[in-house]
Amino acid sequence: KQEVTQIPAALSVPEGENLVLNCSFTDSAIYNLQWFRQDPGKGLTSLLLIQSSQREQTSGRLNASLDKSSGRSTLYIAASQPGDSATYLCAVSWNSGNTPLVFGKGTRLSVIA
Amino acid sequence: DGGITQSPKYLFRKEGQNVTLSCEQNLNHDAMYWYRQDPGQGLRLIYYSQIVNDFQKGDIAEGYSVSREKKESFPLTVTSAQKNPTAFYLCATKTRDFQETQYFGPGTRLLVL
Repeated sequence: KQEVTQIPAALSVPEGENLVLNCSFTDSAIYNLQWFRQDPGKGLTSLLLIQSSQREQTSGRLNASLDKSSGRSTLYIAASQPGDSATYLCAVSWNSGNTPLVFGKGTRLSVIA
Repeated sequence: DGGITQSPKYLFRKEGQNVTLSCEQNLNHDAMYWYRQDPGQGLRLIYYSQIVNDFQKGDIAEGYSVSREKKESFPLTVTSAQKNPTAFYLCATKTRDFQETQYFGPGTRLLVL
């Protein structure tokens, strides 16, 4: 079964710290991998999308990497801010870009001022 | 104002009652998706539709039904057969471009009275 796992489930860090969120997936034959942000009681916002042929994507203070051979992706957040507090979800599409995404359970991040 | 609209924001269901959640989009996206999210859990796929008048079951379709009569609309009915409907329901859309991400609506929270 194709599954996505995120560890840790929750993380609390002081403001200004650099941090890494982890995502692992079974079956390395992915099509793409995405990172989303979800604020409490809200929908999801796409942060970064990495195609299977790519190794990383960057947007501002966010950098996502992909290592298909080991079945892992990391989301690196530089100089964290209280506004970064949210749940971060990793999602994988296998086989083709229109195959439904499989989501991890997310990592709930709290950045303390 | 473009985007995805979900209504209502909160919905209350009585025992044995069917209720319908609305999802409307003006993004001209072909694919539409319904997800269920329980506390501390990731998103689980209920139903999805790649084109008008066609839809497929997701991982947890039992107790739910959908229709796709128009490109802009993908309503979800939670039937009385769904014994544990309390959850946060998210609608998403996507273009045919395999490299594009999914876009999410604001969600509907369903509670049982």
